[in-house]
Amino acid sequence: QKEVEQNSGPLSVPEGAIASLNCTYSDRGSQSFFWYRQYSGKSPELIMFIYSNGDKEDGRFTAQLNKASQYVSLLIRDSQPSDSATYLCAVNMNSGGYQKVTFGTGTKLQVIP
Amino acid sequence: GAGVSQSPRYKVAKRGQDVALRCDPISGHVSLFWYQQALGQGPEFLTYFQNEAQLDKSGLPSDRFFAERPEGSVSTLKIQRTQQEDSAVYLCASSPVGVDYGYTFGSGTRLTVV
Repeated sequence: QKEVEQNSGPLSVPEGAIASLNCTYSDRGSQSFFWYRQYSGKSPELIMFIYSNGDKEDGRFTAQLNKASQYVSLLIRDSQPSDSATYLCAVNMNSGGYQKVTFGTGTKLQVIP
Repeated sequence: GAGVSQSPRYKVAKRGQDVALRCDPISGHVSLFWYQQALGQGPEFLTYFQNEAQLDKSGLPSDRFFAERPEGSVSTLKIQRTQQEDSAVYLCASSPVGVDYGYTFGSGTRLTVV
């Protein structure tokens, strides 16, 4: 079982729709969770982080965390073609006394105009 | 500096050649990380520095990989006797305290071994 799992996609949504991206993780002791956006040929860019169960909203983005189910999600409202990218879920796992971030393989999102 | 700077942006190496990849983190960032990203995959952890101390090198794939950060700022990732499977993007990231605020990544070095 991978430590951080994501559906590789592609996930296709029409412009203006809600895109829902999901991620599960294996380490029950994980404390911090991140979503990065990566455009083709570019490096990952942090867009959201969440520590507590529930929802965290930032503009069109909402991160959701359920530690009991070991599940993290990212909702993108009013999706725009510029949102087309790969979204990486990342989890801060306890590792030998310091925090190490492990990434999923990413979900490719395509927003269709 | 304003961001994490990596050089070179692109590197083509002949198999068996040694390469050195440089990372200049954001000024004042204590933590520095190296990741390797193969095509179509997520970044894979290689090594972690806190100031000049290398606290975790568990992700280095073989003893051909070596990283250093002698003065606690600039870091170099060295790969000896490169092989085709080393072809990937090498990402450097830094953060001010631990990783709880997330990383800032550099633009990466794309290494192609031919």
